[in-house]
Amino acid sequence: AQSVSQHNHHVILSEAASLELGCNYSYGGTVNLFWYVQYPGQHLQLLLKYFSGDPLVKGIKGFEAEFIKSKFSFNLRKPSVQWSDTAEYFCAVIPSGGGATNKLIFGTGTLLAVQP
Amino acid sequence: NAGVMQNPRHLVRRRGQEARLRCSPMKGHSHVYWYRQLPEEGLKFMVYLQKENIIDESGMPKERFSAEFPKEGPSILRIQQVVRGDSAAYFCASSPSSGRTSSAQYFGPGTRLLVL
Repeated sequence: AQSVSQHNHHVILSEAASLELGCNYSYGGTVNLFWYVQYPGQHLQLLLKYFSGDPLVKGIKGFEAEFIKSKFSFNLRKPSVQWSDTAEYFCAVIPSGGGATNKLIFGTGTLLAVQP
Repeated sequence: NAGVMQNPRHLVRRRGQEARLRCSPMKGHSHVYWYRQLPEEGLKFMVYLQKENIIDESGMPKERFSAEFPKEGPSILRIQQVVRGDSAAYFCASSPSSGRTSSAQYFGPGTRLLVL
C-alpha cells in the first residue's frame, strides 16, 4: 500500500538552529509532493509543493525541500528556525499517473517545538 | 478571497445522533475532499467530490457515512448514528482542478467532532 513516513515525531530545537525533517514515500511511479504546516490553533497551510522540474523547491517563510527520486525522499529544511516556526509539519503525496485520483496521502506529522 | 470554510468548528453529539458537517470550497474551486484526523494520527483521505459527483470514496467507512456536493450549496459530510470512535477532526480541502498536473489542495479550519 502507498504510504508516507515521517520518522521524527517530535523535534525540539533552539532558535537559529538548522532544521531538517525527513519524509519518505512508498510509490514507484510519478508523484506530486507537498509539505503542509499546522500552527497551534490554526488550519493546515501549504508550505511548498513539487510537481516537476527543479527538485529543490523553495516555499514560504524560508523553507525549502529537496526531492530525491532515488531515495523516495522529500525532506524539508530551513537553515535557521524561529520561535514562530513551532507547529506540526505534514508531508503528503499524491501518486499521479493513469487512473490515480487526487487524494493526498499524509505522513503522521512531526511536532516541532522551537525554544527561544 | 475567502478560504475554505467549514462549519461548525466544534460539534458535540451523543451516541446515536446524526452529525452534519459543512464545507464551502474556495471561490473558483470545484473539487472538494474530506479528510479525517483521529487522535494521535495523521490525516486520512475519506472522499473526493466534484459538483454532483462522487469521484473517489475509497476512504469512507462502509456504513453510516455519506457525502454530497450538490450543484448549489456546500458539500456535506453526514455521519449517522455516531459512535465514540467517530470523534475526530474532519477537514475539508478544495482545489480548482485535478488531473495529471494536480493542483494543490487548500484546507479549511476543520470541524472537531466529539461524541459523548
